[in-house]
Amino acid sequence: GESVGLHLPTLSVQEGDNSIINCAYSNSASDYFIWYKQESGKGPQFIIDIRSNMDKRQGQRVTVLLNKTVKHLSLQIAATQPGDSAVYFCAENKPSGYSTLTFGKGTMLLVSP
Amino acid sequence: DAMVIQNPRYQVTQFGKPVTLSCSQTLNHNVMYWYQQKSSQAPKLLFHYYDKDFNNEADTPDNFQSRRPNTSFCFLDIRSPGLGDAAMYLCATSRDSLAGATEQFFGPGTRLTVL
Repeated sequence: GESVGLHLPTLSVQEGDNSIINCAYSNSASDYFIWYKQESGKGPQFIIDIRSNMDKRQGQRVTVLLNKTVKHLSLQIAATQPGDSAVYFCAENKPSGYSTLTFGKGTMLLVSP
Repeated sequence: DAMVIQNPRYQVTQFGKPVTLSCSQTLNHNVMYWYQQKSSQAPKLLFHYYDKDFNNEADTPDNFQSRRPNTSFCFLDIRSPGLGDAAMYLCATSRDSLAGATEQFFGPGTRLTVL
């Protein structure tokens, strides 16, 4: 079931540092994963995705790593900026019938100047 | 610009008074989703339409219904809102195919307050 809680895990970093946000997913059959960024009062915004036939994918300042052995996903943000402050969600696609995403509980990233 | 639009952005309703939230998209995507997101929690899928086929999540209360009159529009109806239904409601779209799942594009959300 979904985790319920009032407080999100928080990662606090200094501007210019590299950030690593981790996510454990639940279904070994999941074949597609996405990282979303959500700023306060806004809808989730796509950052990067990866399919299960890959273990690494790079974008602009971001890298996603997938370890299927331990069902672990990570998002690396290089040279973190104050504008990166937001809640980050990982989501997995469970390939049963129609494709749908199940979201992880989220991590708040706070970047201080 | 192609996008997902939600109206209204803020909705206030009274306990038990039916309310409808709307979503429209200019992406021509075949799949539309409705999520509920409560404070400091992840979005939770309520249901989705794959073309005209409605797919309800097993734990979505009967109080929540949806309509998709055409490709571009999808509505969320809450028949008798309770205090526990106060949340952000997110609409999303995707273009799914036999090739596999793809990115979902989210609207800005509608913040529902129940008095």
